[in-house]
Amino acid sequence: DTEVTQTPKHLVMGMTNKKSLKCEQHMGHRAMYWYKQKAKKPPELMFVYSYEKLSINESVPSRFSPECPNSSLLNLHLHALQPEDSALYLCASSQADNANYGYTFGSGTRLTVV
Amino acid sequence: AQSVTQLGSHVSVSEGALVLLRCNYSSSVPPYLFWYVQYPNQGLQLLLKYTTGATLVKGINGFEAEFKKSETSFHLTKPSAHMSDAAEYFCAVSRTGGGNKLTFGTGTQLKVEL
Repeated sequence: DTEVTQTPKHLVMGMTNKKSLKCEQHMGHRAMYWYKQKAKKPPELMFVYSYEKLSINESVPSRFSPECPNSSLLNLHLHALQPEDSALYLCASSQADNANYGYTFGSGTRLTVV
Repeated sequence: AQSVTQLGSHVSVSEGALVLLRCNYSSSVPPYLFWYVQYPNQGLQLLLKYTTGATLVKGINGFEAEFKKSETSFHLTKPSAHMSDAAEYFCAVSRTGGGNKLTFGTGTQLKVEL
């Protein structure tokens, strides 16, 4: 299995809703990442988990809450989002705790906040 | 800190023509370099990577790139463009010696015309 699976593919939520994005990989990768991508822009790093511990938080607002329950699973909990948070949210994984072999990306969750 | 610059946010070629997408890097240490492709509404797919060794790197779908330290460049080429190559292309860099962070360029939109 050489894939990163993200669910759901599309999500529409109101500003008072609570929702979660899910990411799963079975490649034995021990680093997992959340990226946010706005239209016509490169991905922006949000969080990095290394060996199930949060190692990087790129000053992301607290309305985004990551969770890594085990080495294969990564969640992003969403609460009280703003319309400007609408974007493609990408999950990725990599070997060990460095990016030097490249990331494997999921196909993303298209989030719309109304 | 490392960074990459992609020259030309939009490149248009005729089907069958040479594809050349430009990427220059800035790094205080030897970098690891990557090219990713993103099709509409999808995640990023790794095309190729340079870590160490041979400076001419071959990737998937007929793409290749050459690491030129003297020019601090890692340009992506393909001898003959196909309609299916139309996509967004991102150059990315990570730091040798570890670390979780991939830094992306701003992207180049490739259009292939008949």
